Amino acid sequence: DAMVIQNPRYQVTQFGKPVTLSCSQTLNHNVMYWYQQKSSQAPKLLFHYYDKDFNNEADTPDNFQSRRPNTSFCFLDIRSPGLGDAAMYLCATSRESGRDTQYFGPGTRLTVL
Amino acid sequence: AQSVTQLDSQVPVFEEAPVELRCNYSSSVSVYLFWYVQYPNQGLQLLLKYLSGSTLVESINGFEAEFNKSQTSFHLRKPSVHISDTAEYFCAVSVEAAGNKLTFGGGTRVLVKP
Repeated sequence: DAMVIQNPRYQVTQFGKPVTLSCSQTLNHNVMYWYQQKSSQAPKLLFHYYDKDFNNEADTPDNFQSRRPNTSFCFLDIRSPGLGDAAMYLCATSRESGRDTQYFGPGTRLTVL
Repeated sequence: AQSVTQLDSQVPVFEEAPVELRCNYSSSVSVYLFWYVQYPNQGLQLLLKYLSGSTLVESINGFEAEFNKSQTSFHLRKPSVHISDTAEYFCAVSVEAAGNKLTFGGGTRVLVKP
């Protein structure tokens, strides 16, 4: 009964080759988030969707894009991955407001060769 | 803007000993406080949270945290740790005014030794 699912768990791509990471949820939550987590660091929010409204963090590079075609699915697109983009990418969901728990997926570990 | 400081990046502790992980935050508005745990190669899981009311909150696996408004702290404690508590622990804060965003501390890695 997984609630936030991320595919694939491990992704290897080449420098400059576009890659898409996917996230799905069975919780019917309004909000979906994408975080980047580098080794031994805290997760860093890239952007989030509140329903269909996209909210980008000011310091998220243009190289990172996201799509949310419906409530259940959200995608992270990295247009031209660089070596510095190698990281764990975490998807999370929450119901509504800041008081609600965020539920995280297991993450996708991205390697850039 | 909010910020969260976890004073210890690593905490080694022997099995069955107590542990305390320190967390301080700064915010000009009322906050909600969270502790998340991350096991190796996994996502984060909520351990406990403070929204309002009693300042002492407990989790089902023996952890507790106390909200101290005057000291702007939310330290996490467990009286007796197990090997399985080896993980990274993140303190986080959110506020209604900032929407749904969590601000995380840098994390504390707990290593429980037999």
